[in-house]
Amino acid sequence: NAGVTQTPKFQVLKTGQSMTLQCAQDMNHNSMYWYRQDPGMGLRLIYYSASEGTTDKGEVPNGYNVSRLNKREFSLRLESAAPSQTSVYFCASIRQAGGLLYEQYFGPGTRLTVT
Amino acid sequence: AQSVTQPDIHITVSEGASLELRCNYSYGATPYLFWYVQSPGQGLQLLLKYFSGDTLVQGIKGFEAEFKRSQSSFNLRKPSVHWSDAAEYFCAVGFNAGNMLTFGGGTRLMVKP
Repeated sequence: NAGVTQTPKFQVLKTGQSMTLQCAQDMNHNSMYWYRQDPGMGLRLIYYSASEGTTDKGEVPNGYNVSRLNKREFSLRLESAAPSQTSVYFCASIRQAGGLLYEQYFGPGTRLTVT
Repeated sequence: AQSVTQPDIHITVSEGASLELRCNYSYGATPYLFWYVQSPGQGLQLLLKYFSGDTLVQGIKGFEAEFKRSQSSFNLRKPSVHWSDAAEYFCAVGFNAGNMLTFGGGTRLMVKP
């Protein structure tokens, strides 16, 4: 199993450019998440998808959109990048059983710089 | 809304010394509790988790954590730190509804030789 994979690993954008961060998991998990990590602030949830076909906003959704393409893939799109979106982005998926929450598995991250 | 506090932003310990990293949460019910470790440039790796039962849980790499309901705490401990333990540590809490995790701000651990 590859676990959770993310592409690209690094990206530099100019203000106003758009891009899509890709995430895929091969663990047959129902729920997937996008976080951003900024120094001293831990990880903050941007969007999540509890199951295929559903998406919901997290703590910091402004400036982002997501697509749950299928059970495996969950992409994050920046339509018009801003310097405030410079961050490290992590995708995660979660194992659930019997309605109970279990641990999240994280991808290696995408380091995004917006100039 | 739930919140997670890690009061220590940076901690430095000597190799071989004991370690305790603090985590406090605010929520009305007992949450699911996690500790993650992040090495530089890497993703997050789960160290241990608490869902129910015995309040002292063992994890990987010799770590353990104790859930104290009366103090709303879930502190991480290790009896003897190794240089390879230098990393950033995150406490997280989750709740059944919504299946989301809330993370603390992290504690960066440095280990002196």
